Amino acid sequence: DQQVKQNSPSLSVQEGRISILNCDYTNSMFDYFLWYKKYPAEGPTFLISISSIKDKNEDGRFTVFLNKSAKHLSLHIVPSQPGDSAVYFCAATYFGNEKLTFGTGTRLTIIP
Amino acid sequence: EAGVAQSPRYKIIEKRQSVAFWCNPISGHATLYWYQQILGQGPKLLIQFQNNGVVDDSQLPKDRFSAERLKGVDSTLKIQPAKLEDSAVYLCASSQIRQGNTIYFGEGSWLTVV
Repeated sequence: DQQVKQNSPSLSVQEGRISILNCDYTNSMFDYFLWYKKYPAEGPTFLISISSIKDKNEDGRFTVFLNKSAKHLSLHIVPSQPGDSAVYFCAATYFGNEKLTFGTGTRLTIIP
Repeated sequence: EAGVAQSPRYKIIEKRQSVAFWCNPISGHATLYWYQQILGQGPKLLIQFQNNGVVDDSQLPKDRFSAERLKGVDSTLKIQPAKLEDSAVYLCASSQIRQGNTIYFGEGSWLTVV
């Protein structure tokens, strides 16, 4: 049962344009969502998170949007840079759980 | 601040052999996790410790996998005997309690079973 889904295995975006990565979830108990970035041969690195009490969180070039009614979140990267090329994982958890459930990842390639 | 340390980084073993991975979490982090990431999939939690107690090991294949966290600091994950399907990256992670559930990962230990 895949509770967190990333339906696009890969995405290519021109440098300088906006990258939009999508994530859907099915478990209504989830109330905290995170995005991790992973380079080859490295562990995932925390990027940005959002609590269910918000619908948007911004950190520099990265913005995460949460639509609770649709059980959908997205990560926007603008402008996209070559160093953003990586695999991005969406993860979710809920208060008191401390266990992350991950999606399958989206490989983002930024084209110079 | 030092990150999560893991060793060895890479290991190749034959099926039915045993292997052990070591992890040292970020100083002060009470919660330690072992995740398994198979190629093309997201990380899957194997076991979660809080201090030296097990919080969740529901997805740990206990017939072949074991983990311990003596003294509530570093941890060891062991696989014995290994199967071909155990080929994966084993990620150790740690977090502080009530820090917004942000979990910090090590670089991973890459296991190939042949």
